[in-house]
Amino acid sequence: EAAVTQSPRNKVAVTGGKVTLSCNQTNNHNNMYWYRQDTGHGLRLIHYSYGAGSTEKGDIPDGYKASRPSQENFSLILELATPSQTSVYFCASGDASGGGYAEQFFGPGTRLTVL
Amino acid sequence: QQQVRQSSQSLTVWEGETAILNCSYENSAFDYFPWYQQFPGEGPALLIAIRSVSDKKEDGRFTIFFNKREKNLSLHIKDSQPGDSATYFCAASERNSGTYQRFGTGTKLQVVP
Repeated sequence: EAAVTQSPRNKVAVTGGKVTLSCNQTNNHNNMYWYRQDTGHGLRLIHYSYGAGSTEKGDIPDGYKASRPSQENFSLILELATPSQTSVYFCASGDASGGGYAEQFFGPGTRLTVL
Repeated sequence: QQQVRQSSQSLTVWEGETAILNCSYENSAFDYFPWYQQFPGEGPALLIAIRSVSDKKEDGRFTIFFNKREKNLSLHIKDSQPGDSATYFCAASERNSGTYQRFGTGTKLQVVP
């Protein structure tokens, strides 16, 4: 069954530390996305990718980097984590042929706490 | 700036009632409006979607009413069930201008038995 998985599911990090969140999809979708979800803000797009080797900035990219080494994998990197990055992070994939009409398939989320 | 707005952060209805969740948007170029449903501890999942050429989309107990002139839409959940208790996100996108969708802040629905 096609799926989007994320690891780790929970992470506690220290301020100033490096954090890598990983996402894997078996949907064979070209497009992948990273969002963060915070109460009062909904889902906000951090970075997205159109395929292996490509990354694009979303609406709130500051403090985050992304890496897409393959069709299946998309990572979100916090080089210097700060408490303001405490949040729930979701990865999603979508079929590029659908353009803006494409359904997005979400992973189960990663809860990140930065102390 | 919030391009997609959901006026209610939370909504409580009794079982059997119709829940109405509202959404509005800023960008006139948006032409596709999906609603996603999210249960606690899970990622959002597509529930129902409408394109701007239509003013109504129905799927079982779920109906979207769309008003292009007023730039707003609503999700109606008829005969609400406790299992419908979830957070609902309104989203919007354009077919030809990028592939990502802009999400609202979400409305948490509670259906009381």
